[in-house]
Amino acid sequence: SYVVTQPPSVSVAPGETAKITCGGNKIGTKNVHWYQRKPGQAPLLVIYYDADRPSGIPERFSGSNSGNMATLTIRRVEAGDEADYYCQVWATSDDHPVFGGGTKLTVL
Amino acid sequence: EVQLVETGGGLVQPGGSLRLSCAASGFTFSNYAMSWVRQAPGKGLEWVSGFSDFGRGSYYADSVKGRFTISRDNSKNTLYLQMNSLRPEDTAFYYCAKDFRVGATTFAFDVWGQGTVVTVSS
Repeated sequence: SYVVTQPPSVSVAPGETAKITCGGNKIGTKNVHWYQRKPGQAPLLVIYYDADRPSGIPERFSGSNSGNMATLTIRRVEAGDEADYYCQVWATSDDHPVFGGGTKLTVL
Repeated sequence: EVQLVETGGGLVQPGGSLRLSCAASGFTFSNYAMSWVRQAPGKGLEWVSGFSDFGRGSYYADSVKGRFTISRDNSKNTLYLQMNSLRPEDTAFYYCAKDFRVGATTFAFDVWGQGTVVTVSS
């Protein structure tokens, strides 16, 4: 089964840039989606297909995917961005998608 | 309003069975792939099973393959998850999720239900 690795936590000051990584073997050849999960709320899709943003998601959120690492970048971080972030990885050649373990973003 | 409502969770003994249902409204259910995702206490999200749009195929996580069966009734706008041979490690909140793209299976979910809790314990 494909293994996806995320750092357990990332901390950043308001106004700074947060980078949350998602590692996996040749992940650059796969599709990566990103979700934001706040306590008591359903997950929110913030990035799909590596770098596309659903409507309503601020431009501060961006994604990239190459080699063995995908990255979610949040610029000008706000207190409201504090949440757990999950990457989800899938390729059409795979049996099924896999979630990363999640990264807790703390805004200092 | 697009909405997913899960029901059917509860307490069951190891080895027992449950059937979860997910009632969809506010969109053309048959046009979208659907999935079940779970979250165990203190753990992250785990994709469990998915059913492609127009019933073209079903998919399962290794951890549930052979024990769980996903199905859908497009006439009732409902997704199901039949769970057999349940184990304590299946204890989790189970969420129904809708694929964001019509007529495709992307496993990118733009709508989620509120979840139903399954507890497997003696």
